[in-house]
Amino acid sequence: AQSVTQPDIHITVSEGASLELRCNYSYGATPYLFWYVQSPGQGLQLLLKYFSGDTLVQGIKGFEAEFKRSQSSFNLRKPSVHWSDAAEYFCAVGAEIYNFNKFYFGSGTKLNVKP
Amino acid sequence: DTEVTQTPKHLVMGMTNKKSLKCEQHMGHRAMYWYKQKAKKPPELMFVYSYEKLSINESVPSRFSPECPNSSLLNLHLHALQPEDSALYLCASSLDRATEAFFGQGTRLTVV
Repeated sequence: AQSVTQPDIHITVSEGASLELRCNYSYGATPYLFWYVQSPGQGLQLLLKYFSGDTLVQGIKGFEAEFKRSQSSFNLRKPSVHWSDAAEYFCAVGAEIYNFNKFYFGSGTKLNVKP
Repeated sequence: DTEVTQTPKHLVMGMTNKKSLKCEQHMGHRAMYWYKQKAKKPPELMFVYSYEKLSINESVPSRFSPECPNSSLLNLHLHALQPEDSALYLCASSLDRATEAFFGQGTRLTVV
């Protein structure tokens, strides 16, 4: 069965510090992987996605993620965090069903940024 | 245009009311989704329409009734809801199976 685990419920980092959010998935085939960000009361915005090819993917707002098949991981990184990055981050895996994806979301990691 | 538009943004309804949530996209996407999100929780899939046909119903109570009138529109009809149905309702769309989902800003529903 497909599942996504985000082991960190809350993370607090200082502004300017580096960030890594962890994501582990369980999926039988080659996964489609995503990171979404959500500000309070808002919808989800796509940060980046992995379908195939280069395992290091670049996204918006200076984020990147690395797909490691051997570890079933897709961790999100940013070298220098800005106060505006404070939000909830969701990792997701997309399972192909006919002509659409069924998306499985992790439980989310809330990022706080200290000034 | 890469937007999914949801209306209304906020809705307060009584337990005997009937209301509808609306979702619209003009990206040519053929899959559309309804998610329910409670506070501090991830989105929870409710329904998926693919090519205007209901493809997934995640055992959602019948007081929620989805409708896809055409490839750009998705509605969620609400009737006799309970206070525990209060949540953020998110609509999303995707082009096909090898693409990401685009989310709307959501409708904040409060059932009183």
